[in-house]
This record gives sequence, C-alpha cells and structure tokens, in this order.
Amino acid sequence: SAVISQKPSRDICQRGTSLTIQCQVDSQVTMMFWYRQQPGQSLTLIATANQGSEATYESGFVIDKFPISRPNLTFSTLTVSNMSPEDSSIYLCSVVWRPSGYNEQFFGPGTRLTVL
Amino acid sequence: DQQVKQNSPSLSVQEGRISILNCDYTNSMFDYFLWYKKYPAEGPTFLISISSIKDKNEDGRFTVFLNKSAKHLSLHIVPSQPGDSAVYFCAASARHTGNQFYFGTGTSLTVIP
Repeated sequence: SAVISQKPSRDICQRGTSLTIQCQVDSQVTMMFWYRQQPGQSLTLIATANQGSEATYESGFVIDKFPISRPNLTFSTLTVSNMSPEDSSIYLCSVVWRPSGYNEQFFGPGTRLTVL
Repeated sequence: DQQVKQNSPSLSVQEGRISILNCDYTNSMFDYFLWYKKYPAEGPTFLISISSIKDKNEDGRFTVFLNKSAKHLSLHIVPSQPGDSAVYFCAASARHTGNQFYFGTGTSLTVIP
C-alpha cells in the first residue's frame, strides 16, 4: 500500500483567509483525490488531481474556492480559499492502488480545519 | 443523491459479542465494495473488500456479506474487541466510473469492555 502524509494535521483559521494543505505520497501515482468530511457527513469527493493537467472538480466544488496543484507524481496541494465557518471539516487526500486487480483506495491522515 | 447509505449512525456492542454493521446502495452498477475503519484524528484505513462475483469474504474476525438482489452489504466482527471502537464507512465503486468511490455516512461502533 502507499504511505500518504499530509500537512498540516490541523489548523484553526480566521474567516476570509486561505489555507494550503499538502499531500505527499511515497510512490508515484497517476491520480490523487481530495475529499472532505464535514461533521456527521460522509466522505465527499472534491476533485481528482492528475499530474500535468487541471484538476477535475465534482458538482458543487469550483476551482476558485479549492485550487489544486499537482506538480509531480508524488505531491499535491489543496487550497481552501476565502474560508468561512462552513469550511470547517476534515480534508483528506487519497490515492488509488490496484493490489488485487481492483482499485483500492488509501487515505492520508487528514487535515482537521476549524474556521472561526 | 446518496448512493451508499448507512442508516445506523451508531452501534454499541459488548466485548466478545458480534458487531453487525449494515450498508445499502442504490446503484446496481456497483461491482466492488469496501469497508474502512476510521479512528478520530486519523484518515480512513482499508479493512476488507468484496467484489460482486462473491457473496462473502472473510479475513480473521471480519466478514463482509453481499446480497446483490437486496443491494445490501454487512460487516460482521466476531468477537468484538474494545480496539474495534471506531467509525466504519462502507464504500462502493463501479468499473465504468473508474476510480470514483462512493461512501456512506459512517457508523460509529463502541465496544464496551
């Protein structure tokens, strides 16, 4: 399985500011994913980050709010822009692996964001 | 539109007894299902999976059952241990959607010593 790290692990931010979350994988992967888990909610896919191309955003998420970078095959960043308290959530990056012929998904430890 | 549902937000079980966590899905194209376990302040970790060609997969204390006609899967933990206390998410994917995984809202399991 892939080992995934995220920075920061948690942060408390003021309304209107932006936070960039970093995700590092110990193997080269084609696709990386960014998820959000709001309190009491399921994991929601924000976007898929492909190296060398623009990220693909899911319905309800836009690039201006959640810009993503994918400079190489082991690294990605997600920025939460112009934050509001509604952005308080756990943000997770993940990669998909195929150890048994099917895609399996592995997650980073998450970044717990609190917006005041 | 929630394609994967876990209708029980929480479950408490005595240590040594069986824990049964349930999951329902609506998309008949789903052909691969997974269970994840999540501790507070950590990311979800993969627990066990099952493909649609099977109806049961077992790994130690963990068994996943799949009922395709009912679009239902369940995770059985026997015997339950206090260290199993965590939030459990089920997830589903379909070959035609590639890497898109759909997650349930999670069930918080508490195993009482």
